[in-house]
Amino acid sequence: DTAVSQTPKYLVTQMGNDKSIKCEQNLGHDTMYWYKQDSKKFLKIMFSYNNKELIINETVPNRFSPKSPDKAHLNLHINSLELGDSAVYFCASSQYGGELFFGEGSRLTVL
Amino acid sequence: GEDVEQSLFLSVREGDSSVINCTYTDSSSTYLYWYKQEPGAGLQLLTYIFSNMDMKQDQRLTVLLNKKDKHLSLRIADTQTGDSAIYFCAEIAGTASKLTFGTGTRLQVTL
Repeated sequence: DTAVSQTPKYLVTQMGNDKSIKCEQNLGHDTMYWYKQDSKKFLKIMFSYNNKELIINETVPNRFSPKSPDKAHLNLHINSLELGDSAVYFCASSQYGGELFFGEGSRLTVL
Repeated sequence: GEDVEQSLFLSVREGDSSVINCTYTDSSSTYLYWYKQEPGAGLQLLTYIFSNMDMKQDQRLTVLLNKKDKHLSLRIADTQTGDSAIYFCAEIAGTASKLTFGTGTRLQVTL
């Protein structure tokens, strides 16, 4: 069973569209994260939720809106997609303060 | 603030040892990690070290931490072609459970 799963794995879309990436973890963790990896492989945290509450919100355009319906899910919705949003987005989960477990990534390509 | 730096590229011959270096700036780091990312794949935790330790050995992997100089290294003994990947150091500091990644080192193993 996959511990942290993201869907879709690949997403190709046009500029200006709205898209969502979903993440689910079955580890019973209380904290979930979204990270962005750009074309140079730099990894930056975007958001973190602990028990469905937003605890980390880095400088991310407000076109990005995370939603955590419950502790096991953290979805990322992106409005008005831009070329610069092309990246691999990684979801992760942890028990607060503990080791992070990462999903396999969702590669977003904006044309 | 956090800033985690690594050299971008390292090439070693199969069978030699690899040493990947990392420097960080946040003196309140509690845990420091090494992650491996193979092409097209997610992030795999290799090992970690608590900030009050200066060395940790795990099979072929040796982690050295110099807290005074804020320097972390990962030594891979008897490097194999399967070790070719990007290696990220990462730190957790503060109470927000936020993992900050280094810039990544691409390790190339040649025959």
